[in-house]
Amino acid sequence: GENVEQHPSTLSVQEGDSAVIKCTYSDSASNYFPWYKQELGKGPQLIIDIRSNVGEKKDQRIAVTLNKTAKHFSLHITETQPEDSAVYFCAASSKEGFQKLVFGTGTRLLVSP
Amino acid sequence: DSGVTQTPKHLITATGQRVTLRCSPRSGDLSVYWYQQSLDQGLQFLIQYYNGEERAKGNILERFSAQQFPDLHSELNLSSLELGDSALYFCASSVGLAGEGETQYFGPGTRLLVL
Repeated sequence: GENVEQHPSTLSVQEGDSAVIKCTYSDSASNYFPWYKQELGKGPQLIIDIRSNVGEKKDQRIAVTLNKTAKHFSLHITETQPEDSAVYFCAASSKEGFQKLVFGTGTRLLVSP
Repeated sequence: DSGVTQTPKHLITATGQRVTLRCSPRSGDLSVYWYQQSLDQGLQFLIQYYNGEERAKGNILERFSAQQFPDLHSELNLSSLELGDSALYFCASSVGLAGEGETQYFGPGTRLLVL
């Protein structure tokens, strides 16, 4: 089945710096890759997603890139702000069953003022 | 606010007991998913329902069961609870169309503590 690895597990940056989180997946048939942000005490919130027919997608300060050949995708946050501090999860859509998301283990991002 | 609601928000119970977690999906969504998130762990997929029928199973224990009702709300039943079942339980919903991957919207979760 699908396996998603996420790095780093923790990331500390200064406000204004960029942050990059990387994920690799194992199932070459996966075709949907969302990123979720989880703040303390809350449920995961979708922040951006990308499908396999696109190599890059951007939404203001957030961008995601996908390399299907290498089976990896990355989240880029520019001009980080303290409110970006949270746990970020990547996921890949597996072909197992009707529809199944397999999540990475999460990256705790801390943005210091 | 994702539009997915979960009750209760917190639940404290004892080992050996049984609890029921409830989820109402976003309006119009036919698929409901249940996930478990333990301390310092990622999101583990438990089970998915689509329009009342079970569609996919993940690492769900035999002591756990779920169902989706005609009004599309779902319940996750956890029985013979053990200390290790203490976790956050999330429900997510999506429109329910197969094939191209769908956005799943998560509820706020139920925090279960087994003492």
